[in-house]
Amino acid sequence: GESVGLHLPTLSVQEGDNSIINCAYSNSASDYFIWYKQESGKGPQFIIDIRSNMDKRQGQRVTVLLNKTVKHLSLQIAATQPGDSAVYFCAENEGGGNKLTFGTGTQLKVEL
Amino acid sequence: NAGVTQTPKFQVLKTGQSMTLQCAQDMNHEYMSWYRQDPGMGLRLIHYSVGAGITDQGEVPNGYNVSRSTTEDFPLRLLSAAPSQTSVYFCASSRRDEQFFGPGTRLTVL
Repeated sequence: GESVGLHLPTLSVQEGDNSIINCAYSNSASDYFIWYKQESGKGPQFIIDIRSNMDKRQGQRVTVLLNKTVKHLSLQIAATQPGDSAVYFCAENEGGGNKLTFGTGTQLKVEL
Repeated sequence: NAGVTQTPKFQVLKTGQSMTLQCAQDMNHEYMSWYRQDPGMGLRLIHYSVGAGITDQGEVPNGYNVSRSTTEDFPLRLLSAAPSQTSVYFCASSRRDEQFFGPGTRLTVL
């Protein structure tokens, strides 16, 4: 079936460096994509989203890039901080509503 | 606003027991969903609702029932618990796209 997956299960970065977390999706009909951050013992927290009619969207210290040609999504975190340490999930949605398909997650570790 | 609340936080069941996981939101959101998260995996959709009185199945609905009698509440019922249902359960609500998640219920079935 359709799935969303991640290339790297664990990413370690130095504090202050930029982080890039990647995600591949397979459902070409998906038109809405979201990045979530999940800290240990907590529920996922919304970071940023992007619709399929856009290639790039920026937030505070975060940027999401969407490449529909190769079905690839990435999350860039600028000046990574210790508080950014968490598991990051991409999720996709087709046609609106609340049926999200999640990827398996990437563990981001920020080293001091 | 309390956001999305879930009770209990932890629960241990024996195989065959039934129970209800509670979920409530005070944001007047139309959409509510239940997900399960297994170790090292992403969230999988169990059931969802687009409004009071309307529910539908997600990716992994077997062994679970839901109802939506009010906008605020969306309980998840385990009919006869099985060890395969050991997981962390998250409830979420949204008005359109951005979903807000509760803190989760960690369920162990022995």
